Amino acid sequence: DGGITQSPKYLFRKEGQNVTLSCEQNLNHDAMYWYRQDPGQGLRLIYYSQIVNDFQKGDIAEGYSVSREKKESFPLTVTSAQKNPTAFYLCASSTPGGKLFFGSGTQLSVL
Amino acid sequence: AQSVTQLGSHVSVSEGALVLLRCNYSSSVPPYLFWYVQYPNQGLQLLLKYTSAATLVKGINGFEAEFKKSETSFHLTKPSAHMSDAAEYFCAVTHGGTGRRALTFGSGTRLQVQP
Repeated sequence: DGGITQSPKYLFRKEGQNVTLSCEQNLNHDAMYWYRQDPGQGLRLIYYSQIVNDFQKGDIAEGYSVSREKKESFPLTVTSAQKNPTAFYLCASSTPGGKLFFGSGTQLSVL
Repeated sequence: AQSVTQLGSHVSVSEGALVLLRCNYSSSVPPYLFWYVQYPNQGLQLLLKYTSAATLVKGINGFEAEFKKSETSFHLTKPSAHMSDAAEYFCAVTHGGTGRRALTFGSGTRLQVQP
């Protein structure tokens, strides 16, 4: 079945540590996105990529980094510069018409 | 610039009652509008979308929404609530032009369905 796979489902970060969240899609979509979800704040865009080897900052990119070396993969690194990383992270890809397909998310917590 | 406002962070209805979740948008160009549903600890699923065709849009699970340009609204309705409708609902907006196509989401409305 086609879809978006995020891993791990739960992730814990120690102080000063960088962690990487995985996102893989087999939908052959060019566009991929990372959103952060906090209670009562909806989804906020971290980074997006419209095509391989290209990505753009979203509304809250500080403390995060991404790469897009393959069409299928769009990993997100939460760096030590992100001082409040605890959140639910959602990866998505979209059709040319803008329909988003979401992964099941990664809950990141700080130890 | 584009934004979405969802009125009411929590809505509670009885099973069988009408569901009305409110969404107002702001967009400098003709918008594309979406409603998504999220069940606990899961990603979002598309319920329905408006892309400048018919103003009354029918989606999955009996939901529908009406685009009203004069009111800048895109409220979500369902005639009769079911227990399985309990979830969080997000309204989102983007535009159909070239360039950035990432959606802007509202803050969400949690729907509770009472037996």
